[in-house]
Amino acid sequence: NAGVTQTPKFRVLKTGQSMTLLCAQDMNHEYMYWYRQDPGMGLRLIHYSVGEGTTAKGEVPDGYNVSRLKKQNFLLGLESAAPSQTSVYFCASSDVAGVTEQFFGPGTRLTVL
Amino acid sequence: KQEVTQIPAALSVPEGENLVLNCSFTDSAIYNLQWFRQDPGKGLTSLLLIQSSQREQTSGRLNASLDKSSGRSTLYIAASQPGDSATYLCAVGSNTGKLIFGQGTTLQVKP
Repeated sequence: NAGVTQTPKFRVLKTGQSMTLLCAQDMNHEYMYWYRQDPGMGLRLIHYSVGEGTTAKGEVPDGYNVSRLKKQNFLLGLESAAPSQTSVYFCASSDVAGVTEQFFGPGTRLTVL
Repeated sequence: KQEVTQIPAALSVPEGENLVLNCSFTDSAIYNLQWFRQDPGKGLTSLLLIQSSQREQTSGRLNASLDKSSGRSTLYIAASQPGDSATYLCAVGSNTGKLIFGQGTTLQVKP
C-alpha cells in the first residue's frame, strides 16, 4: 500500500495564479483532511471530508476550495494564490473519525511570490 | 476554543536518557489524543493513539499517558537514541476526526 500520497511535492506560484493539490489514499478511508503547517503556527485544519461527495470547513478555510468526487481522492484548490498561502500542505486520512489514527501524506511545499 | 500546548519547545539530551514530553489541553471534552513524530522536511508519522476512555498506550520504547481531568498527556521515551531526534507533536481529536495540534517539541539526542 502506498498509504497517502500528494502531488506535486513542490510548487512555486505567482500571486493571482491558481492551482490544485491532489491527495490520494489507497486505504479505503472515509475521512480525509487538508492541513497547512506554518512556522510558529503549527498545523491548522483547512477543510475536511467525512465521505465521498462531502466537504466541510476547518479552522482556516478562506482562500481555498476542496472537492471529494471520488472516495480515494481529495483535491485542494487555490483560485487566486496570495503570498500568505505560502506554506507546507499536508493531507491526511482516517477510517473512523475520533476512533482510528490519522495517516499523513509527505506534504506539498508551496511558495507564492 | 481548544488550545494545545507543548512544553518544552526544544530539548537536548545525551543518548541513553529516559525523557518525558508534555502536552496540555484546555478543554477536557476530547475523543482521543494522538502523538506524532515529524522528521525535518517530512510528513507526520503516527506514534500512539489514546482513546478518551484509556489511560495509556505503549509501543516499544514509547509510552503515552492521558489524564483528561487535568488536561494533560505525557510521552515517555525510554533509553533515548540519536535516531529519536525529531519533532514530536501531540494533537487532540474530536468526534469528526478534526485534530488540534500543539506546536511541538524538537528533540535532539546526542551520541
